[in-house]
Amino acid sequence: AQTVTQSQPEMSVQEAETVTLSCTYDTSESDYYLFWYKQPPSRQMILVIRQEAYKQQNATENRFSVNFQKAAKSFSLKISDSQLGDAAMYFCAYRIDMDYGGSQGNLIFGKGTKLSVKP
Amino acid sequence: KAGVTQTPRYLIKTRGQQVTLSCSPISGHRSVSWYQQTPGQGLQFLFEYFSETQRNKGNFPGRFSGRQFSNSRSEMNVSTLELGDSALYLCASSPQGATNEKLFFGSGTQLSVL
Repeated sequence: AQTVTQSQPEMSVQEAETVTLSCTYDTSESDYYLFWYKQPPSRQMILVIRQEAYKQQNATENRFSVNFQKAAKSFSLKISDSQLGDAAMYFCAYRIDMDYGGSQGNLIFGKGTKLSVKP
Repeated sequence: KAGVTQTPRYLIKTRGQQVTLSCSPISGHRSVSWYQQTPGQGLQFLFEYFSETQRNKGNFPGRFSGRQFSNSRSEMNVSTLELGDSALYLCASSPQGATNEKLFFGSGTQLSVL
């Protein structure tokens, strides 16, 4: 069974500094997607960044970037120039690539990391 | 476009009752998925609907059910509520439910079972 592990329940960063959130996963599949979602106090899950497993190049979205190590099954999120608005729960998630079925319902989430940003 | 809308935002029920939660997807989105979020178990997939058909189902008892209407709006129902059903229920939509599509989440319905 696929599992996603986030070993840091809580993290703290100073405003304008850089922080890295860790995520490891376990799967026997070769084609899959990995995600980082942000959940602020409003509770709405917001996609931060996405990585396709077949792509070797690490995904980046403005101040957010990932370090994807497929062999090690590791997928960490780096947030640069941290801002107060980055404070939230961050969830790492995995989804098998099921093009044949067209269904993407089966997102598997980690337990989350609560990020605090200090002014 | 309006985002994913879930109603109600908060709900309080007692054990043994049943409850219905509603989700209106983004206009044009045909796939709707439901997730349960609890402090202990985290986020768990419940089911996915596409064109009024359940296409995928998570590992939940039969007390959890859902449906989708022709306008893509979806409802989920929980019968014979248990204390452990207290959770945040999140709905997400996407255009076709394809694996390369982004999921758009609502703000959830917080269910408390007393």
